[in-house]
Amino acid sequence: KAGVTQTPRYLIKTRGQQVTLSCSPISGHRSVSWYQQTPGQGLQFLFEYFSETQRNKGNFPGRFSGRQFSNSRSEMNVSTLELGDSALYLCASSLGTGTGFQETQYFGPGTRLLVL
Amino acid sequence: AQSVTQLDSQVPVFEEAPVELRCNYSSSVSVYLFWYVQYPNQGLQLLLKYLSGSTLVKGINGFEAEFNKSQTSFHLRKPSVHISDTAEYFCAVSGLIQGAQKLVFGQGTRLTINP
Repeated sequence: KAGVTQTPRYLIKTRGQQVTLSCSPISGHRSVSWYQQTPGQGLQFLFEYFSETQRNKGNFPGRFSGRQFSNSRSEMNVSTLELGDSALYLCASSLGTGTGFQETQYFGPGTRLLVL
Repeated sequence: AQSVTQLDSQVPVFEEAPVELRCNYSSSVSVYLFWYVQYPNQGLQLLLKYLSGSTLVKGINGFEAEFNKSQTSFHLRKPSVHISDTAEYFCAVSGLIQGAQKLVFGQGTRLTINP
């Protein structure tokens, strides 16, 4: 089975722009979660999507949004980019049959975003 | 609120020595506990998890962890490390808070294995 894939792997943007990141889960997985990883704040949970609906949400501003398509692929969008949005963005997929995070999550390699 | 504290940001050990990476959590609700490993330039990989039952959990690559409810700890151990264990290790806790599942990670512990 192919693993979780994320595109693009690297991205450079300027302040004020917006960006869209893509995540393709493992075949058969219906839950996709997104995380932000920075040296200062560490790993932070952004949100989780299941069956095209946002099921759980972390504490990020509304500039961070996402969606999930019927094939379970997910996109994350960040509008009005700020310097502090520079980070590694990870997505993870799981079967989604549980109500929480007790299932094993499989992570992609991440998208490294640099905001100048 | 839930929080996770990894007590050591860096742990250097010699190859074939034992290692313990410490993790403490605070939560007012029942939680699930996890340890993840991140190798350089890669995503995270689940090492092990505690959901319920036996407090001693065995994971991949020879790692194990013990859930201690009274001390709110979930320390990760390996009796003999290998060079290939060099990576960053994250402890995480999840639980139901205000009607939504939250997943919180510790700051990570960088494990360096010296020959």
